[in-house]
Amino acid sequence: KNEVEQSPQNLTAQEGEFITINCSYSVGISALHWLQQHPGGGIVSLFMLSSGKKKHGRLIATINIQEKHSSLHITASHPRDSAVYICAVRSLSYTGANSKLTFGKGITLSVRP
Amino acid sequence: NAGVTQTPKFRILKIGQSMTLQCTQDMNHNYMYWYRQDPGMGLKLIYYSVGAGITDKGEVPNGYNVSRSTTEDFPLRLELAAPSQTSVYFCASSPGNGELFFGEGSRLTVL
Repeated sequence: KNEVEQSPQNLTAQEGEFITINCSYSVGISALHWLQQHPGGGIVSLFMLSSGKKKHGRLIATINIQEKHSSLHITASHPRDSAVYICAVRSLSYTGANSKLTFGKGITLSVRP
Repeated sequence: NAGVTQTPKFRILKIGQSMTLQCTQDMNHNYMYWYRQDPGMGLKLIYYSVGAGITDKGEVPNGYNVSRSTTEDFPLRLELAAPSQTSVYFCASSPGNGELFFGEGSRLTVL
């Protein structure tokens, strides 16, 4: 079983829809990252969180440490949100000297106009 | 600030050739990393560095070497390229608080 599981694998939405992408993990963590990767492009860090909720513009990330689950929500989706969204977790063994990040495979989101 | 800059963006190598992927950051970050991204897989850590003169192996270091002579630069060397090294390579840096800043990626094909 992979340490980080993302669902759904692929997602297609209409412009304006509310979108939820999920991430489940099986290990104890100190932090969870949400990353965005546009086709053929680099990776951008969206959020790093260890508890509760964070919001940036139309994006909201939540985490439930007890249930080992995080969600990324996109409100009023737009075609420019089309990208791969990657969840990564930092294990509790992170000492500051080793960025022990375990990455999910990513979810491909397509938002149609 | 340019952030994290990787070169080249694309490269085709023949089996057995060698090359260096360059990575430079202008944010004065001590931590730097090299990852590879294979289709349908999560990113895997190749090598990392916690400061100039200090490097260590990640999950998949075989076939690669790194050096860190300055805070800014963290080149990744491929010796005797093999088809299994066909991948997209990402360099990243961190100020040490867990935040990560990635480069644009380098797409390498070994034929």
